[in-house]
Amino acid sequence: GQNIDQPTEMTATEGAIVQINCTYQTSGFNGLFWYQQHAGEAPTFLSYNVLDGLEEKGRFSSFLSRSKGYSYLLLKELQMKDSASYLCAVRDRNHLGGSYIPTFGRGTSLIVHP
Amino acid sequence: EAQVTQNPRYLITVTGKKLTVTCSQNMNHEYMSWYRQDPGLGLRQIYYSMNVEVTDKGDVPEGYKVSRKEKRNFPLILESPSPNQTSLYFCASSPGGTLGNEQFFGPGTRLTVL
Repeated sequence: GQNIDQPTEMTATEGAIVQINCTYQTSGFNGLFWYQQHAGEAPTFLSYNVLDGLEEKGRFSSFLSRSKGYSYLLLKELQMKDSASYLCAVRDRNHLGGSYIPTFGRGTSLIVHP
Repeated sequence: EAQVTQNPRYLITVTGKKLTVTCSQNMNHEYMSWYRQDPGLGLRQIYYSMNVEVTDKGDVPEGYKVSRKEKRNFPLILESPSPNQTSLYFCASSPGGTLGNEQFFGPGTRLTVL
């Protein structure tokens, strides 16, 4: 199976930058996702990485290193509304669901304070 | 509007009383999944379906059944619910083939089994 690890909780200040790390172990890596989930709501898609490097999308960027089994989500110019859980999810060709249904980490709860 | 719907959104029931949580998507997606989310454990996959009449177990299938008779619907069945199935449940769908990236989640069903 997979082993996906991310910090349980992080805090940051409004306007600052925060980096949320995710490490994983897979036998058939086929893509890594980041989702945002506000309390009591459904997860919503943020980013997808399948090749090494940085993907930038507005205030959010996601980085992947396949050789290190490592990704991070970078949030810039933090706003209060960014307080949420951030879920790292990995697809593994050799895991359940073949190539298309990911397994999720336990999520990182980000608290943004004024 | 493209969406995944779940019903009911909230349900309180008693041990042993069979229940079904419905899930429907209007995006013609091939892949559908059910997850449960518990504090400290993150999103765990219960069952998934790659297409009509094709379903398989996820990481935590015990006590659950599913069916996929039509592409749009993927109901979750609890034949004899128990208190350890008290949880927040999410249905998700995604397109197949090379487009199978982002998962779209339903709004969630909060289930309490007494």
